[in-house]
Amino acid sequence: DTEVTQTPKHLVMGMTNKKSLKCEQHMGHRAMYWYKQKAKKPPELMFVYSYEKLSINESVPSRFSPECPNSSLLNLHLHALQPEDSALYLCASSRGLAGVGNEQFFGPGTRLTVL
Amino acid sequence: AQSVTQPDIHITVSEGASLELRCNYSYGATPYLFWYVQSPGQGLQLLLKYFSGDTLVQGIKGFEAEFKRSQSSFNLRKPSVHWSDAAEYFCAVGARGTYKYIFGTGTRLKVLA
Repeated sequence: DTEVTQTPKHLVMGMTNKKSLKCEQHMGHRAMYWYKQKAKKPPELMFVYSYEKLSINESVPSRFSPECPNSSLLNLHLHALQPEDSALYLCASSRGLAGVGNEQFFGPGTRLTVL
Repeated sequence: AQSVTQPDIHITVSEGASLELRCNYSYGATPYLFWYVQSPGQGLQLLLKYFSGDTLVQGIKGFEAEFKRSQSSFNLRKPSVHWSDAAEYFCAVGARGTYKYIFGTGTRLKVLA
């Protein structure tokens, strides 16, 4: 199984809502990532979990809260978002560091719209 | 500073024509290089990667890329483009010792029937 799954596929939420994005992989990868991608731009790294511990937080606002309950699951909890947070949110996983040549496997993304 | 440049924002080719997408990098050591493709509203799919060894790398969907150290380039090629190849293409470098990719800005490919 070389797939990263993400749910939901689409999400519309108001600025006062609380919602969560979910990501799952069963490749035994020990690194998992959240990216944000705006239209016509490359993905921007938000968070990296390595061995279920938060390894990188790219100065993401606290209204985004990641969670890694186990080695196969990654969540992104959303609260009090702004319209500018509307984007495609991508999850990815890898066996290890990108800087030693481990490729990242991406999920299909969640299209988030904040009203 | 480490960087990846994709000079062409948009490229349009006719179906059946050959394709070359350019990627130049700035990096202090031998880089780990990747090409990804993204169809509209979808995730990124790895086309191919270069770590070391043979500088001509074969990937999926009939794509290949050539690493040229002297030119700091890793250009993606396909001999005959299909309409289904229309997508966004990203070149990336694995930042040494980290989990991070340094992405290029992407090249949008349009294929004319």
